[in-house]
Amino acid sequence: DQQVKQNSPSLSVQEGRISILNCDYTNSMFDYFLWYKKYPAEGPTFLISISSIKDKNEDGRFTVFLNKSAKHLSLHIVPSQPGDSAVYFCAASVTNAGNMLTFGGGTRLMVKP
Amino acid sequence: NAGVTQTPKFQVLKTGQSMTLQCAQDMNHEYMSWYRQDPGMGLRLIHYSVGAGITDQGEVPNGYNVSRSTTEDFPLRLLSAAPSQTSVYFCASSRSSGNTIYFGEGSWLTVV
Repeated sequence: DQQVKQNSPSLSVQEGRISILNCDYTNSMFDYFLWYKKYPAEGPTFLISISSIKDKNEDGRFTVFLNKSAKHLSLHIVPSQPGDSAVYFCAASVTNAGNMLTFGGGTRLMVKP
Repeated sequence: NAGVTQTPKFQVLKTGQSMTLQCAQDMNHEYMSWYRQDPGMGLRLIHYSVGAGITDQGEVPNGYNVSRSTTEDFPLRLLSAAPSQTSVYFCASSRSSGNTIYFGEGSWLTVV
């Protein structure tokens, strides 16, 4: 029973266009959400996060949107660059519960020049 | 600043052997954890620790032991390796709950 799901295993986007990665969750106790980026043979690196008290958080080209009623979050990358090609993981946690993360299965983003 | 350091990077074990994956962080983080990543899946939590002397089980703890005798180190022990433990293992740390979690580069383990 996956509590965090990324239904698109892969996404291909043209350079300069918007990339939208989606994530759904089922556990209503989750109150902190993160996106990690992972290159092959490296560990995940933190990208951006959002607390459940917000519905949007922006950091440069990256914006995360949270829809609590739908238990859905999305990551927007604008404009997409070839260097953004990687696997993106959505993760969720419960604050004050040991900072344990529950991950989605990942979406492989390919940005074509 | 080394961050989170994992050793070894690659290891091949025979079924039934035991080994320890080492993890060290130099950021004085209280929280440390171990995850495994299998093909096509996200990372799954094995064990975690919220401070020296305190450990607890995650989602997939069977076959693994941990201890936290110092703030810096959080080794993961495989007691009797099985092919199902073939995976990539990631150690992670954070200052406390709600803070950014930093990952090591991973340890590739194959059990034959």
